[in-house]
Amino acid sequence: KQEVTQIPAALSVPEGENLVLNCSFTDSAIYNLQWFRQDPGKGLTSLLLIQSSQREQTSGRLNASLDKSSGRSTLYIAASQPGDSATYLCALRGEDSGGGADGLTFGKGTHLIIQP
Amino acid sequence: DAGVIQSPRHEVTEMGQEVTLRCKPISGHDYLFWYRQTMMRGLELLIYFNNNVPIDDSGMPEDRFSAKMPNASFSTLKIQPSEPRDSAVYFCASSQSSRGTQYFGPGTRLLVL
Repeated sequence: KQEVTQIPAALSVPEGENLVLNCSFTDSAIYNLQWFRQDPGKGLTSLLLIQSSQREQTSGRLNASLDKSSGRSTLYIAASQPGDSATYLCALRGEDSGGGADGLTFGKGTHLIIQP
Repeated sequence: DAGVIQSPRHEVTEMGQEVTLRCKPISGHDYLFWYRQTMMRGLELLIYFNNNVPIDDSGMPEDRFSAKMPNASFSTLKIQPSEPRDSAVYFCASSQSSRGTQYFGPGTRLLVL
């Protein structure tokens, strides 16, 4: 069974710093990996989706990388801002087609606080 | 597009009562997913549908939980009878394809007393 771990569970940094959030997974047979942002009391907002054949994806100040063989993904946030404060979740979709493989397996998230 | 719509946003009920959560997926999306989020277990997949047909319900915790999708624009998740341990945030998500980006609704925060 796939297990997803996110480290650290919580992180507080001053504004302007570059930071890295980590996601590790036990089964490398993944189809893709998605990073989400969750604000308190709100739903999830998709940030980046990386296919298993890709190494990285970029959107603005965000860059996500994927190393399937080592079971790791990182989310890099450049020049952090107070508005980046949220919980960041990584989620994986398995490689098997159909038969229940289309749901996402989530990590428990990293709670990020950017201090003004 | 209005995004995924869920109702109610908050529900407080007493143990033993029936609870019905509702979801309207994004128009044109063929896949609909129900997830539950708790502090202890994080986000977990309960069930998902493809073209209104349930594909995998292995995440449904027990027979007290049931889900339906009578048409492409509406799904329900029902808990009968509800128990305090069902207290959680329930999310609905939809996607165009089986492996495309999933778009989440705002969630229903359920408290069973």
